[in-house]
Amino acid sequence: KQEVTQIPAALSVPEGENLVLNCSFTDSAIYNLQWFRQDPGKGLTSLLLIQSSQREQTSGRLNASLDKSSGRSTLYIAASQPGDSATYLCAVEDQGAQKLVFGQGTRLTINP
Amino acid sequence: DAGVIQSPRHEVTEMGQEVTLRCKPISGHNSLFWYRQTMMRGLELLIYFNNNVPIDDSGMPEDRFSAKMPNASFSTLKIQPSEPRDSAVYFCASSVARLSTEAFFGQGTRLTVV
Repeated sequence: KQEVTQIPAALSVPEGENLVLNCSFTDSAIYNLQWFRQDPGKGLTSLLLIQSSQREQTSGRLNASLDKSSGRSTLYIAASQPGDSATYLCAVEDQGAQKLVFGQGTRLTINP
Repeated sequence: DAGVIQSPRHEVTEMGQEVTLRCKPISGHNSLFWYRQTMMRGLELLIYFNNNVPIDDSGMPEDRFSAKMPNASFSTLKIQPSEPRDSAVYFCASSVARLSTEAFFGQGTRLTVV
């Protein structure tokens, strides 16, 4: 059974810092991996989608990498801003179950 | 497009009552997903539809839960009878295809069963 783990569960950093969020998954047989952002009381917004054949994707200040063989992904946020404060969720599309399996998320706080 | 639309945004009901949650996916999307989010268990997939047909309902917790998709633009998730442990945020999401495509989520319905 696919399991997705995100470390740390919470992170608080001062504005302007570069930071890395980690995601690991137990079964490397995945179609893709997605990073989502969730603001309090809101739905999820897809940030980046990495297909299983890709190594990374970039969008603005965000860069996500995927190492399928080791079952790991990182989300790199450059020059963090208070508006980046949110919960970030990692999800893998599992080949076996053919559905998205989510991690518990990392709650990020950027302090002005 | 207005995105995935869910209603109601909040629902408070008494134990034993029937609850119906509604979802309108993005036009042109062929896949629709119902998720439940709780502090303890995070986001869990309850059921998903492809071209209006239920594909996998293995995440539906009990027979008290049922979901329908009568057409490409509407889906419901029904809980009957509701119990306090059903209290959670229920999300609907849609995507162009079943696999390997970006999923778009609605704002969610916060359900409280007292």
